[in-house]
Amino acid sequence: GAVVSQHPSWVICKSGTSVKIECRSLDFQATTMFWYRQFPKQSLMLMATSNEGSKATYEQGVEKDKFLINHASLTLSTLTVTSAHPEDSSFYICSARPGTGVTGELFFGEGSRLTVL
Amino acid sequence: DAKTTQPTSMDCAEGRAANLPCNHSTISGNEYVYWYRQIHSQGPQYIIHGLKNNETNEMASLIITEDRKSSTLILPHATLRDTAVYYCIVRPNSGNTPLVFGKGTRLSVIA
Repeated sequence: GAVVSQHPSWVICKSGTSVKIECRSLDFQATTMFWYRQFPKQSLMLMATSNEGSKATYEQGVEKDKFLINHASLTLSTLTVTSAHPEDSSFYICSARPGTGVTGELFFGEGSRLTVL
Repeated sequence: DAKTTQPTSMDCAEGRAANLPCNHSTISGNEYVYWYRQIHSQGPQYIIHGLKNNETNEMASLIITEDRKSSTLILPHATLRDTAVYYCIVRPNSGNTPLVFGKGTRLSVIA
């Protein structure tokens, strides 16, 4: 199947700093990527939809100025957590579907675990 | 909100078939049933999907009732590595839409 890769796999940062997480589709192009967040023992929650060449669409309750999303190419989307606080500590997961296709499975990255001290 | 209902947890003996049920009584005619699983601290992994016919692949079988209001994922010979949270998700077949995850079923395969 298609491969989606995230980097870094885990990161520890100090409160108040910013952290960037990359999501790459390694063997396909994706005009749209999705970012999820998962707290311990909870399910995945959709944060935002990342659109190549345009602004991301954020879910209700997700601060767009805090979680900056950039989708500059068809194979790369980045999520920047700005001025991170301990409550932002979570497992962040991206996903993508090959091409502009609307059917078929969604492929997920390995996830990035953020710990804010 | 998720449109599916699944048991919170299930146990299965290693080597036996694991049958995971899912209710999706409000499924629409253009919505597919997708199954994903998430092993601890990893991203979700696609398993199988279907519309109305039963489906089988190298990982599992998907049985969808005739009225499409429920389905069952079958892992024919569960192994310890199948221990994971299994998510049943319905998704329309139009629009590049995300998957909306419910709470899933935590399957524990026991030796």
